[in-house]
Amino acid sequence: SQKIEQNSEALNIQEGKTATLTCNYTNYSPAYLQWYRQDPGRGPVFLLLIRENEKEKRKERLKVTFDTTLKQSLFHITASQPADSATYLCARSMDTGRRALTFGSGTRLQVQP
Amino acid sequence: EAGVAQSPRYKIIEKRQSVAFWCNPISGHATLYWYQQILGQGPKLLIQFQNNGVVDDSQLPKDRFSAERLKGVDSTLKIQPAKLEDSAVYLCASSAGQLNTEAFFGQGTRLTVV
Repeated sequence: SQKIEQNSEALNIQEGKTATLTCNYTNYSPAYLQWYRQDPGRGPVFLLLIRENEKEKRKERLKVTFDTTLKQSLFHITASQPADSATYLCARSMDTGRRALTFGSGTRLQVQP
Repeated sequence: EAGVAQSPRYKIIEKRQSVAFWCNPISGHATLYWYQQILGQGPKLLIQFQNNGVVDDSQLPKDRFSAERLKGVDSTLKIQPAKLEDSAVYLCASSAGQLNTEAFFGQGTRLTVV
């Protein structure tokens, strides 16, 4: 089965630093990876999507990379703020033709002021 | 644009009772998903609909869970009878149905089975 793993359960960083979250997948590369943010008591909110043939994607302070050799995606938040504190979920597409996502267990980010 | 609506927000039931959750997706979204999220874990797909047809229900415990999407719009998810391990947040999501599009999630229904 296609698995997706987020290695860190929690990450604590100081305000202003860059947060880097890791997502690893098994077997064949997915067509795309997505990153979501989830706050307590809320549903996940879409942040970024990166396709298999893209190395990097940026949106404001967010950057995602996709390394098919390492089978890994990195999610960066630059100039982090306490408001960035949340759980971040990585998700991969499933088999071709099916659109449902398989989610990792998430990394809880805490940005200290 | 209105988001994905779910109700109820919270539900507490005793084991062996039945429960139903309701979802109204974003208008025009052909694809609807039900996910189960256990505390500390990521969402796990239960069932995916494309319009009113089932695309994937391979992870739905069909002996106790059922879902329907009449007329390709609203959807209900039912559990009967509930078990303690069904305690979780049930998330509904929808997408426009095209490849590589994002999923929009509702706030979820937190179910506690006692």
